[in-house]
Amino acid sequence: DSGVTQTPKHLITATGQRVTLRCSPRSGDLSVYWYQQSLDQGLQFLIHYYNGEERAKGNILERFSAQQFPDLHSELNLSSLELGDSALYFCASGVDLSTGNTIYFGEGSWLTVV
Amino acid sequence: GESVGLHLPTLSVQEGDNSIINCAYSNSASDYFIWYKQESGKGPQFIIDIRSNMDKRQGQRVTVLLNKTVKHLSLQIAATQPGDSAVYFCAAPRGNFGNEKLTFGTGTRLTIIP
Repeated sequence: DSGVTQTPKHLITATGQRVTLRCSPRSGDLSVYWYQQSLDQGLQFLIHYYNGEERAKGNILERFSAQQFPDLHSELNLSSLELGDSALYFCASGVDLSTGNTIYFGEGSWLTVV
Repeated sequence: GESVGLHLPTLSVQEGDNSIINCAYSNSASDYFIWYKQESGKGPQFIIDIRSNMDKRQGQRVTVLLNKTVKHLSLQIAATQPGDSAVYFCAAPRGNFGNEKLTFGTGTRLTIIP
């Protein structure tokens, strides 16, 4: 158990809909990262928040947004869903990569768009 | 552009044998590397990490070797077991401050033959 909690574990929704994925980081971790993994693909970085502020953005679609709340949990919002958005969405948390502290991943939220 | 985690896509090893998974990177300024294991449908699991001031680091049944001259690192797994079957990724931090995101390659799928 990495200590990172993601909900829901599985989600099936229709095209055009909106969903919210939730992440609770490990206790004490200020950084939260979101990654997308499509079937048999690598991990694509979406966005990084540090202590409530956006730190870095990857190839995140405009239909997607995220935020980190004062209690450090984070939410990833996916709207106007398309079939191609079906993927595993991972959250990871950590202290600080630059000081040699790794990041730990949750078990993911499996999104299926039908 | 910069790249990290250039892997051979698959590797098959007899149970009980040692396995070596290789990874190449392009940015000579990279100073921290992490190996993750991902089982099917699960989140990436931290295995071991190494900083660039080290050439070798050992864990339980795993050893990571870093060769900065040729920008190559390897993960050695001793006495492989069926539970070692998974996709293995090497990763390195990226960003202006070395902590904006973790960049992954496509990984190596390790299959243990009984």
